[in-house]
Amino acid sequence: DQQVKQNSPSLSVQEGRISILNCDYTNSMFDYFLWYKKYPAEGPTFLISISSIKDKNEDGRFTVFLNKSAKHLSLHIVPSQPGDSAVYFCAAKTNNAGNMLTFGGGTRLMVKP
Amino acid sequence: DTEVTQTPKHLVMGMTNKKSLKCEQHMGHRAMYWYKQKAKKPPELMFVYSYEKLSINESVPSRFSPECPNSSLLNLHLHALQPEDSALYLCASSLRDIGSRAFFGQGTRLTVV
Repeated sequence: DQQVKQNSPSLSVQEGRISILNCDYTNSMFDYFLWYKKYPAEGPTFLISISSIKDKNEDGRFTVFLNKSAKHLSLHIVPSQPGDSAVYFCAAKTNNAGNMLTFGGGTRLMVKP
Repeated sequence: DTEVTQTPKHLVMGMTNKKSLKCEQHMGHRAMYWYKQKAKKPPELMFVYSYEKLSINESVPSRFSPECPNSSLLNLHLHALQPEDSALYLCASSLRDIGSRAFFGQGTRLTVV
């Protein structure tokens, strides 16, 4: 049973527009959420995170929104740039699980010039 | 220094070989992880070391043997692997506190022939 789901395997966006990547989770014990960006054959790179006590966190072009009641979070990238093209993984963890991350399946973002 | 360094970057080994993957970090992180990632799949947790002790073993076959000689180093010893073990092996580390994010290495691309 997948506890973290990214239902869109791919997303195509025009340069300059907003990219919205979605993530749903089922485990109500998750209390910290992260977004990672990954290029092929490289390790994931941390982008932004949010604690369950917040509903929004912003860092430059990246904003993460958390809706705890819906068990849903989203990553907004504004404006999108061609260099943002990569696979984006949503990850979640509980404080009592040895700091282990549970990853979603990933969404491939393609930003067209 | 915010890097997690993995060596080698690429490894091809036969099913009767014994090899080791190495991971190093100097950020003072006390939790270190091995993840396995197959093509077009999310990273899957294999092992977690916390304060140099194995805290989580996600039902990984015994042909994978982790070792944490000190707080900066993490090894993964490989023996009698199968072709289906071919994957990208990712090492990560994090501070052992609430809400800390994991830093990932670039990964070792392993091919078992």
